[in-house]
Amino acid sequence: AQSVTQLDSQVPVFEEAPVELRCNYSSSVSVYLFWYVQYPNQGLQLLLKYLSGSTLVESINGFEAEFNKSQTSFHLRKPSVHISDTAEYFCAVSSAGGYNKLIFGAGTRLAVHP
Amino acid sequence: DTAVSQTPKYLVTQMGNDKSIKCEQNLGHDTMYWYKQDSKKFLKIMFSYNNKELIINETVPNRFSPKSPDKAHLNLHINSLELGDSAVYFCASSPGPSTTYEQYFGPGTRLTVT
Repeated sequence: AQSVTQLDSQVPVFEEAPVELRCNYSSSVSVYLFWYVQYPNQGLQLLLKYLSGSTLVESINGFEAEFNKSQTSFHLRKPSVHISDTAEYFCAVSSAGGYNKLIFGAGTRLAVHP
Repeated sequence: DTAVSQTPKYLVTQMGNDKSIKCEQNLGHDTMYWYKQDSKKFLKIMFSYNNKELIINETVPNRFSPKSPDKAHLNLHINSLELGDSAVYFCASSPGPSTTYEQYFGPGTRLTVT
């Protein structure tokens, strides 16, 4: 069985400060890893994903995440956040080679303050 | 153009009633999903269909019955509604059932059972 742990339920941060949202996973098989973002009253949108290759993956809006197999982590980082980054962030895992069944973490609420 | 749409957006009903939520995608995808997001924002997959065939069926009460009349539509019917069914239900789609594909989420249907 797989599971995802997001270590922080809420992360308050000031605008232009750096941020890290932590994600750890547990799985007995190879996995793919994802970060999804949910803006208020909206559905989820894919932010970035790791399937294979370079362990550092980037999104178009400045977020990046690094897959660390030894620490079973996939932490999300941004060097300078904007007010518009305020949202709920979900880390998710799925089995490599299986059906597209996403297992989500409990989410981290990122609140960016001016 | 809305890629994944759900109707209704809000649904308030009484215990014991039967209700349906509809989902349509115009992306030409083969695979569709239903997720439940509870009051603590925890997201869990319920069902997935690929080309109208059920491929993922998580442990949900049999009061929940998905129906896929064609690969662009996946509806969710709920019988004998209970208070615990109150949640936001998200529909999603992906090009295929492989875990490498991004899932595209609808805006959600907020179901409140009184």
